[in-house]
Amino acid sequence: QQQVKQSPQSLIVQKGGISIINCAYENTAFDYFPWYQQFPGKGPALLIAIRPDVSEKKEGRFTISFNKSAKQFSLHIMDSQPGDSATYFCAASTDYKLSFGAGTTVTVRA
Amino acid sequence: KAGVTQTPRYLIKTRGQQVTLSCSPISGHRSVSWYQQTPGQGLQFLFEYFSETQRNKGNFPGRFSGRQFSNSRSEMNVSTLELGDSALYLCASTRDIPGASAFFGQGTRLTVV
Repeated sequence: QQQVKQSPQSLIVQKGGISIINCAYENTAFDYFPWYQQFPGKGPALLIAIRPDVSEKKEGRFTISFNKSAKQFSLHIMDSQPGDSATYFCAASTDYKLSFGAGTTVTVRA
Repeated sequence: KAGVTQTPRYLIKTRGQQVTLSCSPISGHRSVSWYQQTPGQGLQFLFEYFSETQRNKGNFPGRFSGRQFSNSRSEMNVSTLELGDSALYLCASTRDIPGASAFFGQGTRLTVV
């Protein structure tokens, strides 16, 4: 049973557009919500993370929005670039254990 | 600062054999976790070690085991390999602070034939 549900499975966006990936969770014990970016043949790389007492966090072109009451969080990639084409995973952590979403493959068309 | 180092990068083993994978965490990180990544099941938590003790374990059979050494380096072992064990095995290291970020290595690609 997947503890973190992620959607969509894949998306295509034009260069300069906005990519939005959504995640939902049930376990209220989760206390940390990171996003990872993974390129083929590589390990996941930490992109940005948020704690549940914060509603939004922005780092460069990447923004996390967090809705604690709805138990949902999302990643927005602004001004998408071809180099952003990768698989993105949301995750939720408790007790040093990460539960991952199924991943979203983002393709940015030039 | 060096990242998480996993060796070897690639392995091919035969069914029934056993395998040992190694992970060196980021300097100063004392928590090491292992994950299995497959196309069908995604990223799944195997276990987490801190101070040579397993603190948390995922839902994997007993064929999967691990250990951590006093220098925080960790190994995981899979015995009696099955075809379904073919996967990318990832190690992540974390500072021992709740909610600290986990940093992953490049992984070991295990193929069981």
